[in-house]
Amino acid sequence: GQQVMQIPQYQHVQEGEDFTTYCNSSTTLSNIQWYKQRPGGHPVFLIQLVKSGEVKKQKRLTFQFGEAKKNSSLHITATQTTDVGTYFCAGRGYQKVTFGTGTKLQVIP
Amino acid sequence: DVKVTQSSRYLVKRTGEKVFLECVQDMDHENMFWYRQDPGLGLRLIYFSYDVKMKEKGDIPEGYSVSREKKERFSLILESASTNQTSMYLCASSFQGLSSAAKETQYFGPGTRLLVL
Repeated sequence: GQQVMQIPQYQHVQEGEDFTTYCNSSTTLSNIQWYKQRPGGHPVFLIQLVKSGEVKKQKRLTFQFGEAKKNSSLHITATQTTDVGTYFCAGRGYQKVTFGTGTKLQVIP
Repeated sequence: DVKVTQSSRYLVKRTGEKVFLECVQDMDHENMFWYRQDPGLGLRLIYFSYDVKMKEKGDIPEGYSVSREKKERFSLILESASTNQTSMYLCASSFQGLSSAAKETQYFGPGTRLLVL
């Protein structure tokens, strides 16, 4: 079945440093979504990418969808303490959406 | 604002008990989902439903069943709770898109943290 892996599992950064999480699917995806889960909260939708090679930006966050539509990345420039949380990708395969394993980001002030 | 509510935030049950987790959404979404979340394993799909009275197995359906008698309500049932079902359970709902570009954003409930003793 479809598998979606994310690396790294954990990341500690100093405030102001950049951060990147990578998402890799075992199968080609029709779209990919990214979610953020704050500590003690539930996942909240950030963005959806559909096209091969697509790049979207939200302020300090940059999202990319790979050319083969099997991988994606989320890059945060100059992290802030408000970026703390777990970031999940969610890839849409043939019949369903599969969430990645998540990357937990800690930002040290 | 979309609202997804779950019947309990915290639940403690004994091994062998039958457990019902309820989820209600108020946005007339066609799709509803049940996930469990465990450290290092991300969100794993247990069951999902695309319509009333319709259900599909997710990746880890063993030991669980579901019921969707009304569009807004999706119930998860643990027939005989076991300690390895101790977890955070998250319900979600989404609009049903007609193409890959359709935004099938999943809206999550607050979660139920279940402890099985």
